[in-house]
Amino acid sequence: EDQVTQSPEALRLQEGESSSLNCSYTVSGLRGLFWYRQDPGKGPEFLFTLYSAGEEKEKERLKATLTKKESFLHITAPKPEDSATYLCAVNGVGGFKTIFGAGTRLFVKA
Amino acid sequence: NAGVMQNPRHLVRRRGQEARLRCSPMKGHSHVYWYRQLPEEGLKFMVYLQKENIIDESGMPKERFSAEFPKEGPSILRIQQVVRGDSAAYFCASSPTGDAGELFFGEGSRLTVL
Repeated sequence: EDQVTQSPEALRLQEGESSSLNCSYTVSGLRGLFWYRQDPGKGPEFLFTLYSAGEEKEKERLKATLTKKESFLHITAPKPEDSATYLCAVNGVGGFKTIFGAGTRLFVKA
Repeated sequence: NAGVMQNPRHLVRRRGQEARLRCSPMKGHSHVYWYRQLPEEGLKFMVYLQKENIIDESGMPKERFSAEFPKEGPSILRIQQVVRGDSAAYFCASSPTGDAGELFFGEGSRLTVL
């Protein structure tokens, strides 16, 4: 069964303090690994799709990378507005559903 | 270009009543997914529908829950005889294709069962 585990559950950073969020996954034939951002009381907002090991995507202060078993979301010099829950998800062959991890809650203090 | 529209945003029901949650996908999207999110937990897949068809309902409880996506009108998630454990945020997502790539989510419907 496809599974996604994210760590840490919560991460507190000072503004400007770079760090990484981890997403470990098991899936039968990866079709895509996704990162979403979710603000309190809102629906998830799409950030990135990664398809194969070695692939990297960047957007402003965020960079997502992918290996055969893990994905990392690197946050460079974060700002308070980056505070949110970051969700990792996978979609595998043979299924139509995208499976989400529990998320990492990021708090960035000014 | 309106996004995914969900209503109601908040719904309060007493135990034993019915809850109906509606979702209008983005224009041009014919694939709809429903997810449930409990406090401090991730999104749990419930059901995937195309127009007039249920494609995958493996995440939906066998009893009391049903979903539809008619030829005309919004997709509806129906919960009969609600219990306190049904209290959660229910999110709808749509996509233009069925390959479950990027999903476009609505703002969610928050159900509270008294």
